[in-house]
Amino acid sequence: DAGVIQSPRHEVTEMGQEVTLRCKPISGHDYLFWYRQTMMRGLELLIYFNNNVPIDDSGMPEDRFSAKMPNASFSTLKIQPSEPRDSAVYFCAGRGQGAGGYTFGSGTRLTVV
Amino acid sequence: QQPVQSPQAVILREGEDAVINCSSSKALYSVHWYRQKHGEAPVFLMILLKGGEQKGHDKISASFNEKKQQSSLYLTASQLSYSGTYFCGTEVGGTSYGKLTFGQGTILTVHP
Repeated sequence: DAGVIQSPRHEVTEMGQEVTLRCKPISGHDYLFWYRQTMMRGLELLIYFNNNVPIDDSGMPEDRFSAKMPNASFSTLKIQPSEPRDSAVYFCAGRGQGAGGYTFGSGTRLTVV
Repeated sequence: QQPVQSPQAVILREGEDAVINCSSSKALYSVHWYRQKHGEAPVFLMILLKGGEQKGHDKISASFNEKKQQSSLYLTASQLSYSGTYFCGTEVGGTSYGKLTFGQGTILTVHP
């Protein structure tokens, strides 16, 4: 089991550019979560899916952020246009049915200059 | 609403014990505990479900007081490998089943 796979690991982009973060969850994990981590705000939930359906996107900061999960093995988080305040580590995490914990991916460190 | 963790930071010598607390203003379905080392992803330690159970994991254990909506993580005979940031994550269940809200974290440093 390769775990939750995120790409890229690091992304440096200029303000105004489009950024796409990718996540491949663990097979069988019905829940997929996108979190953002910064020193100031900690771990913030952006959006989560259950069986590929978005359940709660109330944490998505602005319309510049969008997320999709076209199938059970792939999800994307897109920021367009990106701004310096979007700089953070973005984690994808998965969870199966039942009383289990989250499995986090290694994260994508995004820097917008 | 974010759960509140205390203390914010703890410094220990190897072999000493520590307790980290997590408090919520909402009725909880479960409490999770995670450890994150610098530059890495959070790693799941354990989950406690409502019902006031206590769990153990080697020298790390936790309790959940459902009436007070509080959980505590106990680290005994600490090792250097215990260093990191500890997060509690709370789940209220119902229509928010599966969704965790994380506390701000407690930084634990263990010195030789």
